[in-house]
Amino acid sequence: QKEVEQDPGPLSVPEGAIVSLNCTYSNSAFQYFMWYRQYSRKGPELLMYTYSSGNKEDGRFTAQVDKSSKYISLFIRDSQPSDSATYLCAMSAVTGNQFYFGTGTSLTVIP
Amino acid sequence: EAGVVQSPRYKIIEKKQPVAFWCNPISGHNTLYWYLQNLGQGPELLIRYENEEAVDDSQLPKDRFSAERLKGVDSTLKIQPAELGDSAVYLCASSRSRTDTQYFGPGTRLTVL
Repeated sequence: QKEVEQDPGPLSVPEGAIVSLNCTYSNSAFQYFMWYRQYSRKGPELLMYTYSSGNKEDGRFTAQVDKSSKYISLFIRDSQPSDSATYLCAMSAVTGNQFYFGTGTSLTVIP
Repeated sequence: EAGVVQSPRYKIIEKKQPVAFWCNPISGHNTLYWYLQNLGQGPELLIRYENEEAVDDSQLPKDRFSAERLKGVDSTLKIQPAELGDSAVYLCASSRSRTDTQYFGPGTRLTVL
């Protein structure tokens, strides 16, 4: 079983839709949770960083962590064509320790 | 602030040939990472440097892969000899310290024929 599971999609939504991206994990020691966005032929860039359980909001993006269910989500409101990319979740047990990445979900927002 | 620079961006070689990738991290970043990303997969850590010291290389296939970070700045990742299964994107990332945000370069896309 992989440390981190993520539905690879692809996911296609109309512009303006709310997008929900999810990851599950098996290691209860994970405490640091990140979402990266990766455009085609580019390196990943950090979108959201959360510690332990709870919600964090940044503009149109909201990250949720439910440690009891070992489940994390990224919500994108009012999705834009420029949001079309692959979204990777990542997590680690201790800050500075090895990250475990999901496989990424490919998102296309159709104008 | 300039980002992480990697070269070459693309490399095509025949199997059994050697290949090297170069990374220039963001100025002032002490921690440097090399990741392997296969198609449709997330990045997997190969090696992490703190300054010039390799502090986590447990995932580096040492029979054919080697890396160095001279003077704690630029880094080179080498494969010798390359195998068909090495075809992937090799990403370099850097951070101020191991607890800070990692910034990724654009990657080197390697194709082994």
